[in-house]
Amino acid sequence: DAGVIQSPRHEVTEMGQEVTLRCKPISGHNSLFWYRQTMMRGLELLIYFNNNVPIDDSGMPEDRFSAKMPNASFSTLKIQPSEPRDSAVYFCASSLEAERDQFFGPGTRLTVL
Amino acid sequence: AQKVTQAQTEISVVEKEDVTLDCVYETRDTTYYLFWYKQPPSGELVFLIRRNSFDEQNEISGRYSWNFQKSTSSFNFTITASQVVDSAVYFCALSEGANDYKLSFGAGTTVTVRA
Repeated sequence: DAGVIQSPRHEVTEMGQEVTLRCKPISGHNSLFWYRQTMMRGLELLIYFNNNVPIDDSGMPEDRFSAKMPNASFSTLKIQPSEPRDSAVYFCASSLEAERDQFFGPGTRLTVL
Repeated sequence: AQKVTQAQTEISVVEKEDVTLDCVYETRDTTYYLFWYKQPPSGELVFLIRRNSFDEQNEISGRYSWNFQKSTSSFNFTITASQVVDSAVYFCALSEGANDYKLSFGAGTTVTVRA
């Protein structure tokens, strides 16, 4: 079975550009999470969805970040405009609500110059 | 306040030695869940185990074992007879409450197993 799929795996962009990260959760999972990993702050939750509805977005840094889940098999995390401090690895994870075990994608390494 | 504390930043051992990773958590909820994840050098996060607050039974899976003690708010992880492939960063995480699914991660412990 395919795990969580993220694209792109690597993204290099210039400050001010729009960045869109994509995630396809494991089929049948109804919860989806976006995390960010940096050396300074470690792993931190940005937002999570349950049944395509955003439940907790308290970790979203600021208005430049937005996330959507238009259907059960696709989510996006958008940064507009991007800044060098957004450079990080962004992970998407999914789970079955009843089981709680979150399975992570391979991550997208974002570098903003 | 940090909800999950992994006091050990780095541990280095020689192959076949046992290594124990400490995890101390803090929560006011009576229902909570504890997790361990492994992040090898390739970067992915691999789920290892979940325990809930109502089940203090220790668990063994192959060379891995976990010791959950509510009295000390600890959920420690032991790798027995370590191997080079165990070299990774290990994260402890906490999910609080019956209806909250987000994970709060510790800072991680880097384990290096030398041949």
